[in-house]
Amino acid sequence: SQQGEEDPQALSIQEGENATMNCSYKTSINNLQWYRQNSGRGLVHLILIRSNEREKHSGRLRVTLDTSKKSSSLLITASRAADTASYFCAFFTGTASKLTFGTGTRLQVTL
Amino acid sequence: DVKVTQSSRYLVKRTGEKVFLECVQDMDHENMFWYRQDPGLGLRLIYFSYDVKMKEKGDIPEGYSVSREKKERFSLILESASTNQTSMYLCASSFLDWSSYNSPLHFGNGTRLTVT
Repeated sequence: SQQGEEDPQALSIQEGENATMNCSYKTSINNLQWYRQNSGRGLVHLILIRSNEREKHSGRLRVTLDTSKKSSSLLITASRAADTASYFCAFFTGTASKLTFGTGTRLQVTL
Repeated sequence: DVKVTQSSRYLVKRTGEKVFLECVQDMDHENMFWYRQDPGLGLRLIYFSYDVKMKEKGDIPEGYSVSREKKERFSLILESASTNQTSMYLCASSFLDWSSYNSPLHFGNGTRLTVT
């Protein structure tokens, strides 16, 4: 399967702590995207990192990409209860229109 | 803001019924997608379309068909519903970006289909 693998599958932290989730993939990519999904809802795009970038920031989000290891990580700093959600990495395989998703990390942030 | 609207949040159908899932987007996006999401399997692409009347198979097209007669509307059809098609179905849309592959997907809130 060309699907991405994410770990951990589930992560539970306290508010204020940092959360790190990792994504590994098998193919060459042009960019890698991260999405968030609140329970019972659709996915929301968070951030995109291009294959020639190594690190990108957006607010409390920091994404890294290591194309030699075919892996990416998403760091959420100073987490809040509202960050509780599932997080997915995604990348294009084959055609420009076909986005493949990782298996997701379920993040639980407790007060 | 882009809005992708799926016609039903919850749907219960019987085995063998023909089921239509409708999706409408309001941002003039060329691309539209249907995914299904199952616990432990993540999101899997069923079909996608990059233009009116055009369709491409995704990773799991068996048992499904699609229709795109208008740019804003993409329908997923289960010709004869089976219990293994019980799932969350997510529709998404995006701009067509052949040069940089950088267009994010915009998702609807999903349709949770139960086939009994």
